[in-house]
Order: sequence, then structure tokens, then C-alpha cells
Amino acid sequence: DQQVKQNSPSLSVQEGRISILNCDYTNSMFDYFLWYKKYPAEGPTFLISISSIKDKNEDGRFTVFLNKSAKHLSLHIVPSQPGDSAVYFCAAALPQGAQKLVFGQGTRLTINP
Amino acid sequence: DGGITQSPKYLFRKEGQNVTLSCEQNLNHDAMYWYRQDPGQGLRLIYYSQIVNDFQKGDIAEGYSVSREKKESFPLTVTSAQKNPTAFYLCASSIFGDTYEQYFGPGTRLTVT
Repeated sequence: DQQVKQNSPSLSVQEGRISILNCDYTNSMFDYFLWYKKYPAEGPTFLISISSIKDKNEDGRFTVFLNKSAKHLSLHIVPSQPGDSAVYFCAAALPQGAQKLVFGQGTRLTINP
Repeated sequence: DGGITQSPKYLFRKEGQNVTLSCEQNLNHDAMYWYRQDPGQGLRLIYYSQIVNDFQKGDIAEGYSVSREKKESFPLTVTSAQKNPTAFYLCASSIFGDTYEQYFGPGTRLTVT
């Protein structure tokens, strides 16, 4: 039962263009969402997050959009840079509780020069 | 220089042997987590602990055991009962608050033959 899904295993984007990574979820009780970036053989690093009371959060080149009615969130990276090549995971959290995160399968982003 | 350390980076064991993975944090975080990552899959929660001397099973706890005798340490033992132990193991920690953000260690690659 995959509550958080990233349906695109990989994405290739030209340097300087916009990268859009998508994530869908099934549990309407999730109230906080996060994006992590992961390089091979390293731990994930936090990128950006959004609370369910917002529909957009921006941090430099990274913007996360949340569409609660569609149970969909997306991460926009603009402009894309070679260092952005990595695997990106979205994660969702339920209110209160133990702050457990439910992760998607990840999308491998490749930025081409 | 605060962070999470996991040792060793690579670990090799023979089938049938128990093995313990180390996780230490000096961030003064209350909660700690263990995840497993397999190729093409997201992070799956094995165990988590919110306070010292207390821990709960995650989604895939079978074949694993943990202890939390100190706030800074959360070792994971992969027992011989775990049917597919070869994987990349990640430890994380977090504070309780509004962000749900978890900080990850560099991971341990366990190979069992």
C-alpha cells in the first residue's frame, strides 16, 4: 500500500531549464510534506517543505506546490544546474504522532549540459 | 560540528550471522529512526525511538532489533532472521516541533553473502 508515489523513476532536463518533479499521495490526513535530495552512497539532505495550510513555498531556486484537492505536490527547480543531478524523494507526515515520514520511491534527476 | 555518524560505511557478513550497525548523533535530538533503502525503492522505516529506553516498530521491523540506552545512540542489529538483509541502511534524527524535518547520517551499505 504505497501512500506516497513518485511515478517517474527518472527525469532528464537540460541545464538552465526548469525541472519539475511530481509526487502523489493517497492519505488526506497528511499535513506536512518534505522534499529530500540524495546523492549515491550518501544520506538524504533536506531541501524544502510545505505545510498543508499553504499551497506554495519558495526557497531560492526551489519551489514546492501543493494541490490538496488533487493530493499532488510538485518540486520546481529553476534554473536547473549540473549539481542538481541526484535522486529526489518526497515525504509526507501525519499530524502529531511520532513524526514518522512516509517516503516515495524517488525520482532520479539528470541535468544535461 | 554537529551531525549524525554511522559506522562502518561498508559492512560484509556471512549469512546466518547477526550484525550491529552503529548510529550516533550529537544534535541533542530526542527522536531517532532507522530506514532501509533498496534499489528503486523509497526509504522504509524499520524502527524509531522518541525517547531513551523506548522504541517502536516501523513498517518492516521483522528480523531487526534496536536499543536506545543513551539519547545519542541508536544501534540497529540485523539478525539472521532477516531474509533479505543486503541493503543500504540509513539512520536519522529529529527534534519534536512543527517542521517534521529529519536529519540523516551517511548510511551503511550491508552486504550479506
